[in-house]
Amino acid sequence: SQTIHQWPATLVQPVGSPLSLECTVEGTSNPNLYWYRQAAGRGLQLLFYSVGIGQISSEVPQNLSASRPQDRQFILSSKKLLLSDSGFYLCAWSVALGMGTDTQYFGPGTRLTVL
Amino acid sequence: AQKITQTQPGMFVQEKEAVTLDCTYDTSDQSYGLFWYKQPSSGEMIFLIYQGSYDEQNATEGRYSLNFQKARKSANLVISASQLGDSAMYFCAMREGGNYGQNFVFGPGTRLSVLP
Repeated sequence: SQTIHQWPATLVQPVGSPLSLECTVEGTSNPNLYWYRQAAGRGLQLLFYSVGIGQISSEVPQNLSASRPQDRQFILSSKKLLLSDSGFYLCAWSVALGMGTDTQYFGPGTRLTVL
Repeated sequence: AQKITQTQPGMFVQEKEAVTLDCTYDTSDQSYGLFWYKQPSSGEMIFLIYQGSYDEQNATEGRYSLNFQKARKSANLVISASQLGDSAMYFCAMREGGNYGQNFVFGPGTRLSVLP
């Protein structure tokens, strides 16, 4: 069965510090990968998605970046964090099973607080 | 314009009763998918149920069913026999496009509280 891991689970960082969040998927090959951010009490905002190694699409301009160095590894980074980067970051994966059936499955999330 | 609308910010239901969470969507695509997710206080997003735009029958998964009314562009989630563990945020989501569509959008969510 497929599993998705995220770490760290929680993170407290000062403004201006760098960021690296990691997401890995097990039990599947060539998944589509996604990074979402959820502000407190809000819905999900898609940040990046990737359909293959080295292929990253950005949905929202920001000071964050994403990379996919391996098939099942997705990394979210920042060189200098802002207060507005605080939130709950969720990684998700999907496999296109057919027309309209690429359900997204989510990891446990990382709660980031920027002080 | 909002692609996914969930008009109920919060809902209460008595344990063992059924509850309907509303979701309406907006798309001009012929092929799309509709999803419901549950987010308990732990934060993890749990996939509940999926409905494809070409599916003629309403999707069901255990106590969850999706009331799909294509002409009205609604995809309401029905939870039968509510349990205390059903208390959580519930998000409706839509994926537009065909096989390689990546446009996946979530609604603002509905907070369900199940009362003992």
